[in-house]
Amino acid sequence: GNSVTQMEGPVTLSEEAFLTINCTYTATGYPSLFWYVQYPGEGLQLLLKATKADDKGSNKGFEATYRKETTSFHLEKGSVQVSDSAVYFCAHTRGSTLGRLYFGRGTQLTVWP
Amino acid sequence: NAGVTQTPKFRILKIGQSMTLQCTQDMNHNYMYWYRQDPGMGLKLIYYSVGAGITDKGEVPNGYNVSRSTTEDFPLRLELAAPSQTSVYFCASSYSGTSDNEQFFGPGTRLTVL
Repeated sequence: GNSVTQMEGPVTLSEEAFLTINCTYTATGYPSLFWYVQYPGEGLQLLLKATKADDKGSNKGFEATYRKETTSFHLEKGSVQVSDSAVYFCAHTRGSTLGRLYFGRGTQLTVWP
Repeated sequence: NAGVTQTPKFRILKIGQSMTLQCTQDMNHNYMYWYRQDPGMGLKLIYYSVGAGITDKGEVPNGYNVSRSTTEDFPLRLELAAPSQTSVYFCASSYSGTSDNEQFFGPGTRLTVL
């Protein structure tokens, strides 16, 4: 089947701390991998993506590398800011499934000044 | 561009009542999706549409209906509301259904059924 296992939250960090949110997936074939972010009171928005093995997606200082050998797509940021406080969702899809996304449960991140 | 808009933002229903959640996108996207998000869980696909006049079931379609008469609109209908349908509902759209295609989400509708 298709599933996503995501690190449980909540995660609380001080500003400028290093962030890792783990994500592993189960999927047949060759899925594309995504991280979406949901800021308070808003809908989800794409943060970054990777479409093939060893690709690195990056945006706003966040990075994630598509590791096919470990079926993982961990999200990292070297120095978080208060404005990064949000819920982060790992997701994957395959072309044969008409673009439908399979999501993890989401990880709440709170960054304190 | 407004992107994907959803109405209402919040709603409380009594068991057995019906309602329609509205979703509109102004990006001329062919693909549209309805997800529900239960507390502590990831989003699950209810229904999706690959174009006007074409809809299909997702993972959790029971208790819901959809229609797609125009490219822009994709309303979700609850006929007989049940407490199990208490959730946050997100509508999304994308230009195509290829596996690397970004989906754009609305702000969500928080529904409580009492």
